[in-house]
Amino acid sequence: AQSVTQPDIHITVSEGASLELRCNYSYGATPYLFWYVQSPGQGLQLLLKYFSGDTLVQGIKGFEAEFKRSQSSFNLRKPSVHWSDAAEYFCAVFNAGGTSYGKLTFGQGTILTVHP
Amino acid sequence: DVKVTQSSRYLVKRTGEKVFLECVQDMDHENMFWYRQDPGLGLRLIYFSYDVKMKEKGDIPEGYSVSREKKERFSLILESASTNQTSMYLCASSLLAGRKETQYFGPGTRLLVL
Repeated sequence: AQSVTQPDIHITVSEGASLELRCNYSYGATPYLFWYVQSPGQGLQLLLKYFSGDTLVQGIKGFEAEFKRSQSSFNLRKPSVHWSDAAEYFCAVFNAGGTSYGKLTFGQGTILTVHP
Repeated sequence: DVKVTQSSRYLVKRTGEKVFLECVQDMDHENMFWYRQDPGLGLRLIYFSYDVKMKEKGDIPEGYSVSREKKERFSLILESASTNQTSMYLCASSLLAGRKETQYFGPGTRLLVL
């Protein structure tokens, strides 16, 4: 069965600093990967997704993620964090096979705190 | 823009009550999903539906049922609410069944069962 691990439960950075949020997945075939962001009290908003092709994916709000098959990783990055980026971030893998086709498996989430 | 709405942002119910959570999407999406979100556990799939009157169990269906009588509406039902069902419930939809599709989420319903 597929799984997603986000090793960091909570990360704190200063405004203007760079950011990397880690995501590792376990999946038997080519993964389809997503990053979502959830602001306090809100639903999830899609930041970016990887289906195929270029392994460096650009998303909204200045975020990017790099798919590394050899490391089973899909880490999210931003070169300069803004206070409004404070939120919880979720990595997810799409199930493209079997009876659970269409299901997303999510990681545990990483809470990002931004200091002024 | 895709819009997924949920009938309530906050609900307080008593143990043993029957609870209905409603979700509506306005983009003619085939797939609809119900997740629950708990701190440290991420989102876990309860049920999903890829067509009217069709439903599939997710990872944690126990204690829940669903109904999809119309394409745009997907209801989650707690037959007899219990305190361990206190959680944030998120509905999502995606366009086509059988395809790799992005899921779009509603704002969530925070349910407290006393």
